Amino acid sequence: GENVEQHPSTLSVQEGDSAVIKCTYSDSASNYFPWYKQELGKGPQLIIDIRSNVGEKKDQRIAVTLNKTAKHFSLHITETQPEDSAVYFCAASKGGSYIPTFGRGTSLIVHP
Amino acid sequence: NAGVTQTPKFRVLKTGQSMTLLCAQDMNHEYMYWYRQDPGMGLRLIHYSVGEGTTAKGEVPDGYNVSRLKKQNFLLGLESAAPSQTSVYFCASSYSGANTEAFFGQGTRLTVV
Repeated sequence: GENVEQHPSTLSVQEGDSAVIKCTYSDSASNYFPWYKQELGKGPQLIIDIRSNVGEKKDQRIAVTLNKTAKHFSLHITETQPEDSAVYFCAASKGGSYIPTFGRGTSLIVHP
Repeated sequence: NAGVTQTPKFRVLKTGQSMTLLCAQDMNHEYMYWYRQDPGMGLRLIHYSVGEGTTAKGEVPDGYNVSRLKKQNFLLGLESAAPSQTSVYFCASSYSGANTEAFFGQGTRLTVV
């Protein structure tokens, strides 16, 4: 089955810096790669996703890049703000699958 | 527009007690999931359902049972709670399986003493 590795487990940055979280996946048939943000005391919420027919997707300060050859994808957050502090999860899945495979999460801390 | 609602939000159980966690979604989603979240372990799938009347085991099903009698509801039961089941439980739903966005509830924090 699919295996998703996520790094780092903890990331600490200063406000205004950029943050990058990386995930690798094992199943070359995977074609859907969402990123979820979990704020303290809440459930995860989708912030951005990418499908395998594109290499990059942006939404204001966040972007996701996908390298199908190397089987890795990354979340980029620019101009970080304290409200970006949260746990971020990546996931990977393929068409027809019932269960997404999640990474173990990255705790992002943005210091004012 | 409630999305996914979990009941209760907090609960303390004594070892050996039973309880049921309720998940309700109002988005007409076919797929529903129960996860547990423990420090450093990410989200681990307990059970899932691909439609009304169906259920299947996930990664960590032991000690839990589920039922999906109505499409909008997915119940998670603990027959005899153990301290190892102390965790935060999340329910999620999606329109058509893993290739679409998952919507999560707010979580249930369960402590077994």
